[in-house]
Amino acid sequence: GEDVEQSLFLSVREGDSSVINCTYTDSSSTYLYWYKQEPGAGLQLLTYIFSNMDMKQDQRLTVLLNKKDKHLSLRIADTQTGDSAIYFCAAQTWSGGGADGLTFGKGTHLIIQP
Amino acid sequence: GAGVSQTPSNKVTEKGKYVELRCDPISGHTALYWYRQSLGQGPEFLIYFQGTGAADDSGLPNDRFFAVRPEGSVSTLKIQRTERGDSAVYLCASSLGARHNEQFFGPGTRLTVL
Repeated sequence: GEDVEQSLFLSVREGDSSVINCTYTDSSSTYLYWYKQEPGAGLQLLTYIFSNMDMKQDQRLTVLLNKKDKHLSLRIADTQTGDSAIYFCAAQTWSGGGADGLTFGKGTHLIIQP
Repeated sequence: GAGVSQTPSNKVTEKGKYVELRCDPISGHTALYWYRQSLGQGPEFLIYFQGTGAADDSGLPNDRFFAVRPEGSVSTLKIQRTERGDSAVYLCASSLGARHNEQFFGPGTRLTVL
């Protein structure tokens, strides 16, 4: 089955860019997602990218996909204290019945230094 | 409703007891997913409904776990003979339909088995 890997921690200074990396194993993954989870809060969908794209930009967020290497990254420009959270990478395949359940990584804790 | 709701928010039970966890999806969403998130882990897929039927139940860990969605809206996850290892946050998500990829998550039910 699919396996999604992320580093567990990333520490950046406020105002710098954060880059969170993810690798996945199933080359048939159709959509790749980034979710944000703040303490005591639910999972918030940040952005996603379709597998035939290599980049997607949405305000301060940039997603890069290297399908050959099965590598996904999320860049957050001008990181703020409010960006402090756990960021989950997730992969999804589509079967005959439609969109399958998501396979998540363990999450990357983004720590912001003042 | 405005978002996915789950009840109860917290459930404490004793080993061996039966529990039911409820999920109300976003109005009009026909696809519904259950996940389980253990401490320090990413969410793990359990089961997916399209309408009233379970389209994929491959993530259910064993036959103590069962889920229903009799009218194609509200879903109930049922756990028999609970074990301490079942302690986790149980998350529900919904999407517009099988051909729509964006899943929106509820706040979860924290289950503690003593």
